[in-house]
Amino acid sequence: DGGITQSPKYLFRKEGQNVTLSCEQNLNHDAMYWYRQDPGQGLRLIYYSQIVNDFQKGDIAEGYSVSREKKESFPLTVTSAQKNPTAFYLCAISRTMNTEAFFGQGTRLTVV
Amino acid sequence: QKEVEQNSGPLSVPEGAIASLNCTYSDRGSQSFFWYRQYSGKSPELIMFIYSNGDKEDGRFTAQLNKASQYVSLLIRDSQPSDSATYLCAVNGMDSSYKLIFGSGTRLLVRP
Repeated sequence: DGGITQSPKYLFRKEGQNVTLSCEQNLNHDAMYWYRQDPGQGLRLIYYSQIVNDFQKGDIAEGYSVSREKKESFPLTVTSAQKNPTAFYLCAISRTMNTEAFFGQGTRLTVV
Repeated sequence: QKEVEQNSGPLSVPEGAIASLNCTYSDRGSQSFFWYRQYSGKSPELIMFIYSNGDKEDGRFTAQLNKASQYVSLLIRDSQPSDSATYLCAVNGMDSSYKLIFGSGTRLLVRP
């Protein structure tokens, strides 16, 4: 939304598989974030990045990995180590860390 | 203690009434405060942000911030059925490395 593209919208993963969720932005914002939302719950921070080639763990980083090789891209890999990956995954961007954040449309991941 | 707390609701108001949504936070160093609206199955949408004590108005929405009491509220005047959604409060500040921390949201139901 507003220059943020998440794909795919729906993703199905088999047990033991790694999957990668895409987040791309064309607004030249520095900060990018990944959140996880479970039904009826708020958003929990997985990873965030303030600049290219740098990222930090959020509150629930275990079982996930990210990269920030380009300013416009911040992909999230859900590894087989994540025991309960079924959730709604949201990517967000902001100009800097302390400014308002905008969300992509989200990816709904289901383990089958 | 949760870092950002909201009553889960649902808060039910009749059409045309004022809906009042509240949020408290634990980090006294918090500097930026945001309200997001999230419709079921969709990603959060930014509706208001406030940085200074006092009120900030935008159309039917008013955000109120009281840093001394560590609460932020959102008033929705002339509530419409289309306002029925979950409202998420988010806070960031120096103590949290400017990570955006979300409450679990308040569900608002506007009755026609």
